[in-house]
Amino acid sequence: NAGVTQTPKFQVLKTGQSMTLQCAQDMNHNSMYWYRQDPGMGLRLIYYSASEGTTDKGEVPNGYNVSRLNKREFSLRLESAAPSQTSVYFCASRGILSYEQYFGPGTRLTVT
Amino acid sequence: AQTVTQSQPEMSVQEAETVTLSCTYDTSESDYYLFWYKQPPSRQMILVIRQEAYKQQNATENRFSVNFQKAAKSFSLKISDSQLGDAAMYFCASFNFGNEKLTFGTGTRLTIIP
Repeated sequence: NAGVTQTPKFQVLKTGQSMTLQCAQDMNHNSMYWYRQDPGMGLRLIYYSASEGTTDKGEVPNGYNVSRLNKREFSLRLESAAPSQTSVYFCASRGILSYEQYFGPGTRLTVT
Repeated sequence: AQTVTQSQPEMSVQEAETVTLSCTYDTSESDYYLFWYKQPPSRQMILVIRQEAYKQQNATENRFSVNFQKAAKSFSLKISDSQLGDAAMYFCASFNFGNEKLTFGTGTRLTIIP
Protein backbone atom coordinates (compact mmCIF):
# COMPACT_ATOMS: atom_id res chain seq x y z
CA ASN A 1 0.00 0.00 0.00
CA ALA A 2 1.19 3.51 -0.82
CA GLY A 3 -0.72 5.09 2.11
CA VAL A 4 -1.32 8.80 1.47
CA THR A 5 0.20 10.28 -1.67
CA GLN A 6 0.44 13.93 -2.67
CA THR A 7 1.35 15.64 -5.91
CA PRO A 8 3.33 17.67 -6.66
CA LYS A 9 6.17 17.57 -4.10
CA PHE A 10 7.35 21.09 -4.94
CA GLN A 11 5.73 24.00 -6.73
CA VAL A 12 6.58 27.63 -7.42
CA LEU A 13 3.77 29.99 -8.39
CA LYS A 14 3.56 33.64 -9.24
CA THR A 15 1.09 35.82 -7.34
CA GLY A 16 -2.36 35.46 -8.88
CA GLN A 17 -1.78 32.05 -10.46
CA SER A 18 -3.99 29.13 -9.58
CA MET A 19 -3.19 25.51 -8.89
CA THR A 20 -4.61 22.32 -7.40
CA LEU A 21 -2.84 20.09 -4.94
CA GLN A 22 -3.82 16.47 -5.28
CA CYS A 23 -4.13 13.91 -2.50
CA ALA A 24 -5.09 10.25 -2.61
CA GLN A 25 -5.24 7.48 -0.02
CA ASP A 26 -5.55 3.74 -0.51
CA MET A 27 -6.51 2.78 3.06
CA ASN A 28 -10.29 3.05 2.56
CA HIS A 29 -10.40 5.90 5.08
CA ASN A 30 -13.51 8.02 5.44
CA SER A 31 -11.99 11.25 6.73
CA MET A 32 -9.44 13.35 4.89
CA TYR A 33 -7.72 16.60 5.85
CA TRP A 34 -5.60 19.42 4.48
CA TYR A 35 -3.08 21.22 6.71
CA ARG A 36 -0.52 23.89 6.21
CA GLN A 37 2.75 24.08 8.13
CA ASP A 38 4.49 27.40 8.65
CA PRO A 39 7.72 27.93 10.59
CA GLY A 40 7.12 28.22 14.32
CA MET A 41 3.39 27.57 14.03
CA GLY A 42 2.97 23.81 13.83
CA LEU A 43 0.30 22.43 11.51
CA ARG A 44 -3.02 24.20 11.04
CA LEU A 45 -6.17 22.69 9.58
CA ILE A 46 -7.40 24.26 6.34
CA TYR A 47 -10.33 22.02 5.39
CA TYR A 48 -11.49 18.54 6.13
CA SER A 49 -13.91 15.99 4.75
CA ALA A 50 -15.53 13.61 7.22
CA SER A 51 -16.97 11.46 4.44
CA GLU A 52 -17.40 11.37 0.69
CA GLY A 53 -19.55 14.28 -0.40
CA THR A 54 -18.97 16.48 2.65
CA THR A 55 -16.41 19.18 3.37
CA ASP A 56 -15.97 21.60 6.26
CA LYS A 57 -13.78 24.57 7.05
CA GLY A 58 -10.93 24.29 9.46
CA GLU A 59 -8.91 26.95 11.21
CA VAL A 60 -7.48 28.78 8.15
CA PRO A 61 -9.77 28.25 5.11
CA ASN A 62 -9.55 31.68 3.49
CA GLY A 63 -8.08 31.59 -0.01
CA TYR A 64 -8.64 27.86 -0.48
CA ASN A 65 -11.27 25.54 -1.90
CA VAL A 66 -11.49 21.77 -1.67
CA SER A 67 -13.15 18.93 -3.51
CA ARG A 68 -13.77 15.41 -2.23
CA LEU A 69 -13.76 13.78 -5.61
CA ASN A 70 -14.47 10.29 -4.28
CA LYS A 71 -13.57 8.29 -1.21
CA ARG A 72 -9.91 8.10 -2.22
CA GLU A 73 -9.20 11.63 -3.41
CA PHE A 74 -9.31 15.06 -1.77
CA SER A 75 -7.93 18.06 -3.64
CA LEU A 76 -7.00 21.56 -2.46
CA ARG A 77 -7.27 24.48 -4.86
CA LEU A 78 -5.70 27.92 -4.67
CA GLU A 79 -7.68 30.16 -7.04
CA SER A 80 -5.40 33.20 -6.84
CA ALA A 81 -2.17 32.45 -5.03
CA ALA A 82 -0.71 35.01 -2.63
CA PRO A 83 2.75 35.15 -1.00
CA SER A 84 1.05 34.48 2.37
CA GLN A 85 0.18 31.02 1.04
CA THR A 86 3.84 30.07 0.83
CA SER A 87 3.94 27.01 3.08
CA VAL A 88 4.26 23.26 3.26
CA TYR A 89 0.91 21.54 2.69
CA PHE A 90 0.05 18.17 4.14
CA CYS A 91 -2.83 15.88 3.36
CA ALA A 92 -3.93 13.30 5.93
CA SER A 93 -6.56 10.61 6.29
CA ARG A 94 -8.23 8.73 9.14
CA GLY A 95 -10.31 5.58 9.36
CA ILE A 96 -13.58 5.26 11.30
CA LEU A 97 -12.20 2.94 13.95
CA SER A 98 -9.02 4.89 14.52
CA TYR A 99 -8.24 8.35 15.82
CA GLU A 100 -4.82 8.40 14.23
CA GLN A 101 -4.23 10.49 11.15
CA TYR A 102 -1.85 9.26 8.49
CA PHE A 103 0.02 11.95 6.62
CA GLY A 104 1.26 12.32 3.08
CA PRO A 105 4.82 13.46 2.32
CA GLY A 106 3.84 17.12 1.90
CA THR A 107 4.03 19.71 -0.87
CA ARG A 108 6.35 22.68 -0.56
CA LEU A 109 4.67 25.65 -2.24
CA THR A 110 6.37 28.96 -2.86
CA VAL A 111 4.42 31.97 -4.13
CA THR A 112 6.55 34.82 -5.45
CA ALA B 1 -11.21 26.04 21.70
CA GLN B 2 -8.36 23.58 21.88
CA THR B 3 -4.82 24.69 22.49
CA VAL B 4 -1.58 22.74 22.72
CA THR B 5 1.54 24.29 24.17
CA GLN B 6 5.10 23.07 23.82
CA SER B 7 7.31 25.37 25.84
CA GLN B 8 10.66 23.93 24.76
CA PRO B 9 11.53 25.08 21.21
CA GLU B 10 14.78 23.10 21.31
CA MET B 11 16.22 20.27 23.36
CA SER B 12 19.40 18.27 23.14
CA VAL B 13 20.46 14.98 24.68
CA GLN B 14 23.53 12.80 24.68
CA GLU B 15 23.22 9.59 22.71
CA ALA B 16 21.98 6.69 24.91
CA GLU B 17 20.63 9.10 27.55
CA THR B 18 16.98 9.85 28.39
CA VAL B 19 15.13 13.03 27.47
CA THR B 20 11.64 14.30 28.29
CA LEU B 21 9.69 16.65 26.04
CA SER B 22 6.91 18.69 27.64
CA CYS B 23 3.41 19.38 26.40
CA THR B 24 0.34 20.92 27.97
CA TYR B 25 -3.06 21.15 26.41
CA ASP B 26 -6.44 22.68 27.03
CA THR B 27 -9.77 21.36 25.85
CA SER B 28 -13.37 21.52 26.99
CA GLU B 29 -14.10 18.11 25.50
CA SER B 30 -14.34 14.99 27.65
CA ASP B 31 -13.54 12.62 24.79
CA TYR B 32 -10.18 13.33 23.21
CA TYR B 33 -6.96 11.71 22.18
CA LEU B 34 -3.38 12.84 22.48
CA PHE B 35 -0.50 12.14 20.14
CA TRP B 36 3.18 12.71 19.65
CA TYR B 37 4.33 13.01 16.05
CA LYS B 38 7.92 13.03 14.85
CA GLN B 39 9.01 15.02 11.80
CA PRO B 40 12.54 14.24 10.58
CA PRO B 41 14.27 16.39 7.93
CA SER B 42 12.42 14.41 5.25
CA ARG B 43 9.34 16.32 6.61
CA GLN B 44 7.25 13.14 6.79
CA MET B 45 4.93 13.21 9.82
CA ILE B 46 5.37 9.95 11.75
CA LEU B 47 3.13 8.91 14.63
CA VAL B 48 5.25 8.06 17.67
CA ILE B 49 2.69 7.31 20.36
CA ARG B 50 -0.93 7.94 21.24
CA GLN B 51 -2.96 8.14 24.44
CA GLU B 52 -6.70 7.85 24.84
CA ALA B 53 -7.88 10.36 27.45
CA TYR B 54 -10.19 7.85 29.12
CA LYS B 55 -7.29 5.48 29.85
CA GLN B 56 -5.37 6.06 33.05
CA GLN B 57 -2.46 3.86 32.08
CA ASN B 58 0.38 5.67 30.35
CA ALA B 59 1.09 4.53 26.81
CA THR B 60 4.45 3.01 25.89
CA GLU B 61 5.98 2.07 22.55
CA ASN B 62 9.41 0.50 22.88
CA ARG B 63 11.77 3.34 23.94
CA PHE B 64 8.99 5.93 23.93
CA SER B 65 6.61 6.47 26.82
CA VAL B 66 4.31 9.22 28.01
CA ASN B 67 3.44 10.74 31.36
CA PHE B 68 -0.24 11.62 31.05
CA GLN B 69 -1.54 13.81 33.87
CA LYS B 70 -5.18 14.41 32.99
CA ALA B 71 -6.04 16.78 35.82
CA ALA B 72 -3.00 18.92 35.06
CA LYS B 73 -3.61 18.60 31.30
CA SER B 74 -0.04 17.54 30.79
CA PHE B 75 1.27 15.01 28.27
CA SER B 76 5.05 14.64 28.23
CA LEU B 77 7.09 12.30 26.04
CA LYS B 78 10.06 10.37 27.42
CA ILE B 79 12.62 8.94 25.03
CA SER B 80 14.93 6.38 26.59
CA ASP B 81 18.29 5.26 25.20
CA SER B 82 18.28 8.11 22.68
CA GLN B 83 19.56 7.24 19.22
CA LEU B 84 20.87 9.41 16.40
CA GLY B 85 17.77 8.56 14.39
CA ASP B 86 15.61 10.21 17.04
CA ALA B 87 16.80 13.64 15.93
CA ALA B 88 13.73 15.45 14.59
CA MET B 89 10.98 17.94 15.33
CA TYR B 90 8.46 16.51 17.76
CA PHE B 91 4.88 17.73 17.77
CA CYS B 92 2.33 17.17 20.48
CA ALA B 93 -1.29 17.11 19.25
CA SER B 94 -4.78 16.65 20.60
CA PHE B 95 -7.74 15.30 18.65
CA ASN B 96 -11.35 16.06 19.50
CA PHE B 97 -13.69 13.64 17.85
CA GLY B 98 -16.61 16.04 18.16
CA ASN B 99 -15.17 18.62 15.78
CA GLU B 100 -12.72 16.38 13.90
CA LYS B 101 -9.95 18.76 14.83
CA LEU B 102 -6.34 17.74 15.39
CA THR B 103 -4.58 20.65 17.09
CA PHE B 104 -0.80 20.78 17.07
CA GLY B 105 1.72 22.47 19.29
CA THR B 106 4.54 24.50 17.80
CA GLY B 107 7.05 21.68 18.12
CA THR B 108 10.31 20.87 19.89
CA ARG B 109 13.46 20.37 17.87
CA LEU B 110 15.44 17.48 19.40
CA THR B 111 19.17 17.18 18.73
CA ILE B 112 21.09 14.03 19.61
CA ILE B 113 24.72 14.57 20.58
CA PRO B 114 26.99 11.65 19.60
